[in-house]
Amino acid sequence: KAGVTQTPRYLIKTRGQQVTLSCSPISGHRSVSWYQQTPGQGLQFLFEYFSETQRNKGNFPGRFSGRQFSNSRSEMNVSTLELGDSALYLCASSGLRVGVNSGANVLTFGAGSRLTVL
Amino acid sequence: QKEVEQNSGPLSVPEGAIASLNCTYSDRGSQSFFWYRQYSGKSPELIMFIYSNGDKEDGRFTAQLNKASQYVSLLIRDSQPSDSATYLCAVNKFDTGFQKLVFGTGTRLLVSP
Repeated sequence: KAGVTQTPRYLIKTRGQQVTLSCSPISGHRSVSWYQQTPGQGLQFLFEYFSETQRNKGNFPGRFSGRQFSNSRSEMNVSTLELGDSALYLCASSGLRVGVNSGANVLTFGAGSRLTVL
Repeated sequence: QKEVEQNSGPLSVPEGAIASLNCTYSDRGSQSFFWYRQYSGKSPELIMFIYSNGDKEDGRFTAQLNKASQYVSLLIRDSQPSDSATYLCAVNKFDTGFQKLVFGTGTRLLVSP
């Protein structure tokens, strides 16, 4: 079973440009979450998509956006890049919830897209 | 106060020892707790999850949960150099009716031969 695939793996952009990152979840998984990871802040939640709908959003500016397609593949876009956007962007898919009540997503992460903004 | 707090470490233990990693969380409504391991340059991978008070064992790993104290821990028995990594604690948090996983910044574990 193929894992979570993220493309591109590495990219370099300059300030003011925009970038689009892609994520293909594990087959059958309908939930896709995006996280930003930086050395100082750790993993920060960006947003979650389920069946083409954004279910939850983190505390990031509107320059960060995403979408999900009918085949569950997801993209995230960052416009007007800033130096502080340099980070590892991780996508995670989920097909299993565990725990009590409505449970929690068990996340499987992709290898990430490392973005460097110059 | 951070939603999920971990000591950044590094926590250094000799090979064969027990490594104890700790995590506290602020939201009493959180009910599911996860431990992920992240090797340098790699993405996080799930070790185990727990949602009932007490201990849960999986091989050399034991997760411990105390909801009254809002405390989660991970014990690694018979630590191996290959266990050297950053361990991330994650807690589910409900927001606008849906849940998300909130991660701590991780504890770096170093196991020396």
